[in-house]
Amino acid sequence: NAGVTQTPKFRVLKTGQSMTLLCAQDMNHEYMYWYRQDPGMGLRLIHYSVGEGTTAKGEVPDGYNVSRLKKQNFLLGLESAAPSQTSVYFCASSYRGSGYGYTFGSGTRLTVV
Amino acid sequence: QQQVKQSPQSLIVQKGGISIINCAYENTAFDYFPWYQQFPGKGPALLIAIRPDVSEKKEGRFTISFNKSAKQFSLHIMDSQPGDSATYFCAASSNTGTASKLTFGTGTRLQVTL
Repeated sequence: NAGVTQTPKFRVLKTGQSMTLLCAQDMNHEYMYWYRQDPGMGLRLIHYSVGEGTTAKGEVPDGYNVSRLKKQNFLLGLESAAPSQTSVYFCASSYRGSGYGYTFGSGTRLTVV
Repeated sequence: QQQVKQSPQSLIVQKGGISIINCAYENTAFDYFPWYQQFPGKGPALLIAIRPDVSEKKEGRFTISFNKSAKQFSLHIMDSQPGDSATYFCAASSNTGTASKLTFGTGTRLQVTL
């Protein structure tokens, strides 16, 4: 029972490069979320999905794209990485809404140089 | 616009003491208030949660106190232990709309000393 798995765990990108972060959950959760965590700013919602084939913008969506082609997977893409996107990225899932509690992955530490 | 304000930013408590972390919210539509605990290198994990129909919820050494009129809620950790050293996040959400999403506070780094 893995829960929420994020890959990769660490990555260093050069400015302008692109990459995709993968989030996979095995709990049959409907909702999935991508957050970024920065010192002193807590967790800020980037994008989220309420079901397979759906996506929606969160609080800080600029510079990111997402896709949810399969219920268990939620991908976060950076088309042209910028140093401001240096952060720790967390994926989370929940059965329905937030009232059911989020299960978080262990995070991806991304550095853009 | 920060909808959930959390304080203090950091806290040092001696073993056996009481740790208190406070949060205040603005959106009166919020109806679910969880606390998450995060250890270094790990993702946050749900610790305890409360809904506004009760003023207090206790689970072991962890207690949430809720003041609806003041729009404030707090986490109390009784008999704090070194193993409680972690970052704590309060959060809030409303179940209205297409999806209820958590809005997090900025976090409190707790250190429990021997």
